[in-house]
Amino acid sequence: DVQLVESGGGLVQPGGSLKLSCVASDFTFSAYWMTWVRQAPGRGLEWVANMNEDGSKKHYVDSVRGRFTISRDNAKTSLYLQMNNLRVEDTGVYYCARASNADYWGQGTLVIVS
Amino acid sequence: QSVLTQPPSASGTPGQRVTISCSGSSSNIGNNNVYWYQQLPGMAPKFLVYRNNQRPSGVPDRFSESKSGTSASLAISGLRSEDEADYYCAAWDDSLSAYVFGPGTKVTVL
Repeated sequence: DVQLVESGGGLVQPGGSLKLSCVASDFTFSAYWMTWVRQAPGRGLEWVANMNEDGSKKHYVDSVRGRFTISRDNAKTSLYLQMNNLRVEDTGVYYCARASNADYWGQGTLVIVS
Repeated sequence: QSVLTQPPSASGTPGQRVTISCSGSSSNIGNNNVYWYQQLPGMAPKFLVYRNNQRPSGVPDRFSESKSGTSASLAISGLRSEDEADYYCAAWDDSLSAYVFGPGTKVTVL
C-alpha cells in the first residue's frame, strides 16, 4: 500500500526556518506529481504547493510564494518543503500527498510558529 | 475566503441520503475535475471520489459524485455513523494556477 511519512515539524519562532521531509514508498515516486497541503488548527484544508515528476514545474499558493520552496529527490523517493520567514499564520499540520489531486496522504507533521 | 463554496454542515439519520454541494466558477469546477475528500475526526484526509464516480479501492459505492456546469455535489446514501466527518471538494483553478479546496462540510449522523 502507498506510504507517505512526513517529518521535520516542530516549534519555531516567527521569521525562522524549517524543512519538512516526506519519504514515499510502495509506488513509483518518480512517476507522480507530489503535493503539500496544510491545515491550521480547527480550520479547513489549504493547498500549499505541488511539483511535477522531474521537478521542472512548481506551483505555490500566493501566501507562501517567495518564502517556501518545494523540491524532491527521486533517487531517495523524498519530497521536501523548505519554509523560510515563517509567520504565525503558517502554524498547522502539513500533509504530503501523492499526485496533483492528492489521492494518498501521509499522517502529517505539526508546525508551530510562535 | 475560498473560491469554492460548501455548506458548513449537513445531517441525516442512519440510512438516509445526504447531499453536499460545491459551487465554483468556470476557472475551476467549470473546466476541471472535482475531487472529494473525507476527513474523520483526528485523522488525515482521505480521497473519496471524482469524475464518473471513480473511487479508490475500499471506498464504498454509497459515495457518489456529480457535476453540472460550475457546481458539483457529493451524495452519501445509506448514511452510517462512521460517515460522520468533514467533507471537502477541490479542483484546479486555471486563473490562480492553484489547487483550491472548499471550506468543508461537517456531516453529522443524528
